[in-house]
Amino acid sequence: GAGVSQSPSNKVTEKGKDVELRCDPISGHTALYWYRQSLGQGLEFLIYFQGNSAPDKSGLPSDRFSAERTGGSVSTLTIQRTQQEDSAVYLCASSFGQGAYNEQFFGPGTRLTVL
Amino acid sequence: DQQVKQNSPSLSVQEGRISILNCDYTNSMFDYFLWYKKYPAEGPTFLISISSIKDKNEDGRFTVFLNKSAKHLSLHIVPSQPGDSAVYFCAASAMRGKLIFGQGTELSVKP
Repeated sequence: GAGVSQSPSNKVTEKGKDVELRCDPISGHTALYWYRQSLGQGLEFLIYFQGNSAPDKSGLPSDRFSAERTGGSVSTLTIQRTQQEDSAVYLCASSFGQGAYNEQFFGPGTRLTVL
Repeated sequence: DQQVKQNSPSLSVQEGRISILNCDYTNSMFDYFLWYKKYPAEGPTFLISISSIKDKNEDGRFTVFLNKSAKHLSLHIVPSQPGDSAVYFCAASAMRGKLIFGQGTELSVKP
């Protein structure tokens, strides 16, 4: 079956431009997570959606970052006015339910480079 | 504040020998711990987990040990195989909440 897919796989942008990253979770998964991995760092939690509940945005590093999840499925992470420190691999994961006990399935990630 | 730490960025092991990957945590509220494996250009995949009520969990060649008093967990791979070469992340959660990941350890298993 289809896993989590992300697009684009690579994105190069200029400082100050806006970017949108897309995540298609596994069908039927109610929970969706965004993480980022900067060079030499671990996976940093950004935001989490669970069903129709309000998202947990506690990991978003600044108000330039936002995400939405339409129809409980596809999610878009938007970074406005990109900065060089935003360069990282952005990973999306989905799970059947919420919380750590439900295995998260990860997509391959989007590598963002801000010049 | 790094709540989950993997202090060894890399580890090299000979095929057939034991690989031991270590992870330390600071939050005593963590009650569930996981290991994920990541190959280049792929997302992490779940490997093995352990609840804080246990001190050991085994799955084939993979065993996770938890030492709550030391706030330390380790992943043992025996015997190590070249296909095990990957980045390994430990992660922890408190009360079924979101996962906090470590920085990862890159394992290289030499034939």
